[in-house]
Amino acid sequence: RKEVEQDPGPFNVPEGATVAFNCTYSNSASQSFFWYRQDCRKEPKLLMSVYSSGNEDGRFTAQLNRASQYISLLIRDSKLSDSATYLCVVIVSGGSYIPTFGRGTSLIVHP
Amino acid sequence: DGGITQSPKYLFRKEGQNVTLSCEQNLNHDAMYWYRQDPGQGLRLIYYSQIVNDFQKGDIAEGYSVSREKKESFPLTVTSAQKNPTAFYLCASRGFGSYNEQFFGPGTRLTVL
Repeated sequence: RKEVEQDPGPFNVPEGATVAFNCTYSNSASQSFFWYRQDCRKEPKLLMSVYSSGNEDGRFTAQLNRASQYISLLIRDSKLSDSATYLCVVIVSGGSYIPTFGRGTSLIVHP
Repeated sequence: DGGITQSPKYLFRKEGQNVTLSCEQNLNHDAMYWYRQDPGQGLRLIYYSQIVNDFQKGDIAEGYSVSREKKESFPLTVTSAQKNPTAFYLCASRGFGSYNEQFFGPGTRLTVL
């Protein structure tokens, strides 16, 4: 079983739609969680950190469910510019703090 | 401006040649990483370093080598032993501690002819 799993998609949604991605992780000692956005042929960029209490940044909401070991990303009112691959990242505590990446979920927002 | 630079952006190499990819950061980060990304695939860790003069193998270190002589610099050499070197190579750095995110350089796209 992979340490961090994501549905690769693609998720194909119309502008204005609400879309949600999940990411599951296998190590219960996971401590830090992040969502990154990667545009085609570009480097990943931090979208948001995921806090235990959940957090929101404009149209984006991230949540953590430790009991079920998953994090989620909700995008409301999708824009064409949201089209990208969204990467889930998990860091396990007590070790060398190596970030573990999911393979990413592809989102395509169409007019 | 603080950040990570990688050079060159595009690199072409003949089979059998070694090539070195540059990565420099001025973020004062202790940890630096090299990843490889193939089309439609996730990031795979090649090497990482958490302190000067020390580095560790990642998941796919075979055919690669690194050095960390300075905190700011973490060059990656792709040797002729790497069987399928054509890929997008990403360097990243991160401050110490589990709550800090990684910052990425713009990447080097290597093509072996």
